Amino acid sequence: DAGVTQSPTHLIKTRGQQVTLRCSPKSGHDTVSWYQQALGQGPQFIFQYYEEEERQRGNFPDRFSGHQFPNYSSELNVNALLLGDSALYLCASSSGTGNIQYFGAGTRLSVL
Amino acid sequence: QKEVEQDPGPLSVPEGAIVSLNCTYSNSAFQYFMWYRQYSRKGPELLMYTYSSGNKEDGRFTAQVDKSSKYISLFIRDSQPSDSATYLCAMSGGGGNKLTFGTGTQLKVEL
Repeated sequence: DAGVTQSPTHLIKTRGQQVTLRCSPKSGHDTVSWYQQALGQGPQFIFQYYEEEERQRGNFPDRFSGHQFPNYSSELNVNALLLGDSALYLCASSSGTGNIQYFGAGTRLSVL
Repeated sequence: QKEVEQDPGPLSVPEGAIVSLNCTYSNSAFQYFMWYRQYSRKGPELLMYTYSSGNKEDGRFTAQVDKSSKYISLFIRDSQPSDSATYLCAMSGGGGNKLTFGTGTQLKVEL
């Protein structure tokens, strides 16, 4: 049973560029949440997708957007990258109400 | 003030010790309480979760929730070097299901 998978594992971008991160949820899960984890900090909630719609959003600017596909996989897009966007981006999947979430290994984004 | 407070450590203990990790929170609407373990440069791994107040035990791990004090704990018995990691507490509830995390406590179990 595959867990949550994320790709790519590591990305290097320059300021102003755009990036797309991908996530496949754990088998049987229909809800995907995205988090940003800065070094030495706990993960911060970006948004959650359920039934292909954004169900909840954290305190992140509109440069952060997402999408969920009919197969429940999801993408996180970040436009106009800033140095401060450098972080580990985590995808978590869950079912139904989404309180119990399982995480992938993350994508480490470095913005130069 | 942060919604969830967690001592960042680092916490260093000898092998075999009992470890106590704690978080306090301010949002009384939280109903689900989770503990995650995160190894360096990896994603968080769900260790245990508890709904509302009470205790839960799984092998060497025990989670406790005291909603009246807004205080949760994770105890690790007979700690092993492989337990060396960062431990994150997380909570959700109150109409939304996003997880709110503490900053994590770095634990090192030494031989």
